[in-house]
Amino acid sequence: NAGVMQNPRHLVRRRGQEARLRCSPMKGHSHVYWYRQLPEEGLKFMVYLQKENIIDESGMPKERFSAEFPKEGPSILRIQQVVRGDSAAYFCASSPRQGASGANVLTFGAGSRLTVL
Amino acid sequence: DAKTTQPPSMDCAEGRAANLPCNHSTISGNEYVYWYRQIHSQGPQYIIHGLKNNETNEMASLIITEDRKSSTLILPHATLRDTAVYYCIVRVYGSSNTGKLIFGQGTTLQVKP
Repeated sequence: NAGVMQNPRHLVRRRGQEARLRCSPMKGHSHVYWYRQLPEEGLKFMVYLQKENIIDESGMPKERFSAEFPKEGPSILRIQQVVRGDSAAYFCASSPRQGASGANVLTFGAGSRLTVL
Repeated sequence: DAKTTQPPSMDCAEGRAANLPCNHSTISGNEYVYWYRQIHSQGPQYIIHGLKNNETNEMASLIITEDRKSSTLILPHATLRDTAVYYCIVRVYGSSNTGKLIFGQGTTLQVKP
């Protein structure tokens, strides 16, 4: 089991460019979560997706950020017209389909580090 | 979600047990207690979780008080590689919520030789 795979691990963009971060969940996991960690700060929830559905985007900035999790392929976090303040580590986590109740253990990837010049 | 309170930092001698406390006095009956850690610049790593009973796995033990208002994560024999930020999170999972975990500031554990 390869775990949660994120790529690229490091991405450098100039202001105004687009950044696309990819996340392949663990095999058998159908729930994906994205978190952002600004330098020297804590982990902040951004968005939660299931296949082809955005379930909770309460942590997503209102502009320039979008996320998808298509039927086939990885989840994508897209940042348009990047600014220096977008420089951060972006972590993806996945969890298996849940039953009616129970714990929800998230498995995290190694993260994608975005640097905006 | 119940709020958690953790000391900002702790030291532990290598080879000794590390006991990390967490206060969650407003926890409700169906909320689980989770512990994760983040070693510098890496992705958060799941350690253990529990509901009411004490739990143990290959990494750690989780002791939850009878009233469930606090818990302690125990690393039985801390090593230098256990130096990390440890997060205590309480969260309910059910049809009415999304299962996301909200991370606080955590406890920075420094294991010293």
